[in-house]
Amino acid sequence: EAAVTQSPRSKVAVTGGKVTLSCHQTNNHDYMYWYRQDTGHGLRLIHYSYVADSTEKGDIPDGYKASRPSQENFSLILELASLSQTAVYFCASGRGEGNERLFFGHGTKLSVL
Amino acid sequence: QQQVRQSSQSLTVWEGETAILNCSYENSAFDYFPWYQQFPGEGPALLIAIRSVSDKKEDGRFTIFFNKREKNLSLHIKDSQPGDSATYFCAASNSNNRIFFGDGTQLVVKP
Repeated sequence: EAAVTQSPRSKVAVTGGKVTLSCHQTNNHDYMYWYRQDTGHGLRLIHYSYVADSTEKGDIPDGYKASRPSQENFSLILELASLSQTAVYFCASGRGEGNERLFFGHGTKLSVL
Repeated sequence: QQQVRQSSQSLTVWEGETAILNCSYENSAFDYFPWYQQFPGEGPALLIAIRSVSDKKEDGRFTIFFNKREKNLSLHIKDSQPGDSATYFCAASNSNNRIFFGDGTQLVVKP
């Protein structure tokens, strides 16, 4: 079974602090994605990547950076965490074609205080 | 402009009833429509999907009805069970584009 693993599962951060969320996939997929989920807003795309050492902006990239050091790993970085970034973050992987299945991790619940 | 819309944020049905979740989309170029199911504390997982060349896709108790002319689709869950209680995301994409998700419908099935 395809696997996407996120760490940590939950995190409490202070406003203005740096937060790094990590994602590891064993699917051998080229594409990886970071989504944010807020109540009533569904899944919103923050950043994605289709090859190592390259990232692309999604729909809501402001306040976030991403890093893809290898095909398997994809990180989301909040350089200066803010209250408004409190949310659940999901990583996903896929082959990269539009009509394809995405595999999601279990999510990281981030609380910024 | 939201590309995919789900008409209900929440839906409650009794066990044994058919739950109907509605979805509409903007871009007529979309040709692939998956539904993802998400249980609390977990990530979404693909439940069932349909391509625009079909008007119906069935998988056990789950059926997608698709209307290309009206740009809408619905997910029917027959004989709903309490274990079906989850959030359901409608999504849309085509082969040259990324996937767009709706805001989700939270389904509660009461025993």
